[in-house]
Amino acid sequence: DIQMTQSPSFLSASVGDRVTITCRASQGFGNKLAWYQQRPGKVPRLLIYTTSTLHSGVPSRFSGSGSGTDFTLTISSLQPEDVATYYCQKYDIAPWTFGQGTKVEFK
Amino acid sequence: QVQLVESGGGVVQPGRSLRLSCASSGFTFRAYAMHWVRQAPGKGLEWLSLISYDSSNIQYADSVRGRFTISRDNYKNILYLEMNSLTAEDTAIYFCARDKPPNDLWGQGTLVTVSS
Repeated sequence: DIQMTQSPSFLSASVGDRVTITCRASQGFGNKLAWYQQRPGKVPRLLIYTTSTLHSGVPSRFSGSGSGTDFTLTISSLQPEDVATYYCQKYDIAPWTFGQGTKVEFK
Repeated sequence: QVQLVESGGGVVQPGRSLRLSCASSGFTFRAYAMHWVRQAPGKGLEWLSLISYDSSNIQYADSVRGRFTISRDNYKNILYLEMNSLTAEDTAIYFCARDKPPNDLWGQGTLVTVSS
């Protein structure tokens, strides 16, 4: 099975900062890569699918990119409501593996 | 409105069984594949299982294969997860999620605690 590894596991940033989270797959699987946001105590929320397509209602400060085994989630200008844990997920075939998560907090 | 509502969680002794339900509303349930995902306390998301819209394709994570069974009733618009031989490692919040793909709609989760 393909393993998904996110980095960093934790990051601290300031309001307005550009934030980048990386997701690396143990082997290539195409572009069926999604990103989710989970705010503290809340349900996961789909942000991006097919590597770079923004889900309906998601602010444009979120973007996704990548190919092969390396994928990136970027928040162009961090906002207070972006404090959350972010997960990548491959969804080409089962198992639909998640990365271990990246917790984003404010400095 | 469009929503998923899980139920059936609770405290269960090790080795026992539990069945979770996920009731859907506001969308055509029979048109979508569905998934179960869990989250242990303070931990990340773990994908568990998927079932196609017509139940013809079912997949499991290695961690639950042989112990958990996913099923659905497209007349009642309900997704199920039958969990057997539960251990403390199965303690988690269990979410059902719709397959857009990927998972665009999630329930609020139901907590399963395996403890003697």
